[in-house]
Order: sequence, then structure tokens, then C-alpha cells
Amino acid sequence: GAGVSQSPSNKVTEKGKDVELRCDPISGHTALYWYRQSLGQGLEFLIYFQGNSAPDKSGLPSDRFSAERTGGSVSTLTIQRTQQEDSAVYLCASSFYANTEAFFGQGTRLTVV
Amino acid sequence: GQQVMQIPQYQHVQEGEDFTTYCNSSTTLSNIQWYKQRPGGHPVFLIQLVKSGEVKKQKRLTFQFGEAKKNSSLHITATQTTDVGTYFCIPGGFKTIFGAGTRLFVKA
Repeated sequence: GAGVSQSPSNKVTEKGKDVELRCDPISGHTALYWYRQSLGQGLEFLIYFQGNSAPDKSGLPSDRFSAERTGGSVSTLTIQRTQQEDSAVYLCASSFYANTEAFFGQGTRLTVV
Repeated sequence: GQQVMQIPQYQHVQEGEDFTTYCNSSTTLSNIQWYKQRPGGHPVFLIQLVKSGEVKKQKRLTFQFGEAKKNSSLHITATQTTDVGTYFCIPGGFKTIFGAGTRLFVKA
């Protein structure tokens, strides 16, 4: 596609439920990043995929969070047993290489009630 | 690991005033990228600086990369309300450390 696509754009879920957030990066981009942004805050790094290398998971806040990237393209971020503190905007970005400009999706606004 | 400090965290200006945000690293950077995030939006790439002492301009925005490639700045001349948002600097190869950026508020 023309840009990074994220779905859904909004998600309201009940506490304790699992959610899956999807990111469709720009075709050909080898690097893919997930970030979390709470209201009025900066970007909190979650996970980074680079080509076929093992992902950098150092930013995942707990073992309830996991992500995968299938075939070097689409990525899914899964949050299990959601908590209210998981409420935030989840942003995905991709870049051609790690040191080239990043293109961001519109984000998924997750609300846990 | 790679770390950069961006200052100030917040800046309130009157429309028409100038604004500068600074990015400082303890280590030499191969390049640095600047992004802008409008309120309610997502970060958008502005520019990448690669060369020592490099200066690039985009209309009222002037970007500089220090001679030692350890610091960078973004200067906005005569701010407008459309400049409102958060400005981030990050080392190009280290998007894992996006950080908090500098939030610019412009009063009309």
C-alpha cells in the first residue's frame, strides 16, 4: 500500500480480554517498530523487527505483550488479559532500513474498560 | 547504549516568536532524524542530517548538526499556530529511543 496501515483504528475491550492489533507496513520495508503512547506522553518503544533477525523485545512491558511478523511483512501485536493501564495509542512504523526515515501508521487507540 | 537528551521538554511561545529545541548525545552520531507529531496525529519525518556541521532549511525551519556530530538543533523562525506539536530527535539507527521530545505550544 501507499503507507503504513493499522487496524483497527479504535478498539474498546473489557478488562481481562485479549486483543490483537495489526500493522501492515510499506512494501519492501525491512524494519518494523511498535510503540505505545499514553495521552500527552512520548513514544514508548515496545518491539523492533529487522528482516529475518530475532526481534528486539526489550521494550515489552510484561509477558502479556507479544508480537510477531509473518513473512517479513504484516505484524500483529497481541495483548493478553488486558488491564486498564494498557489503554493508549499503539503506533506502528516501518522503514526501509534501520537508519532510514520511519513512516508511521495512524495508530490504534485501545481503551480497556 | 545510545542515549540522547532533548531540551526543553516544553516551550510556550507567542505567535511570531522564535523557538529552538536542542538534542544532545554523549556519543558521536552517524546521523540524526527529526520528526514532528501534531496533536492527535502520528509522528512525521521532517529531515535527516548526516554531515558534520550540516545546516538544512525548510521554509521557517532550520536544522543543524554539530561539528562533532554529538548535538543537533531545530530552530523555527516566527512561529505560527500550525507549528504546534511535539518535535522529536532520534539517532537514525536507533528508533528504539524515540523519547518524549519537545512539546511546542503557540499562543495566537
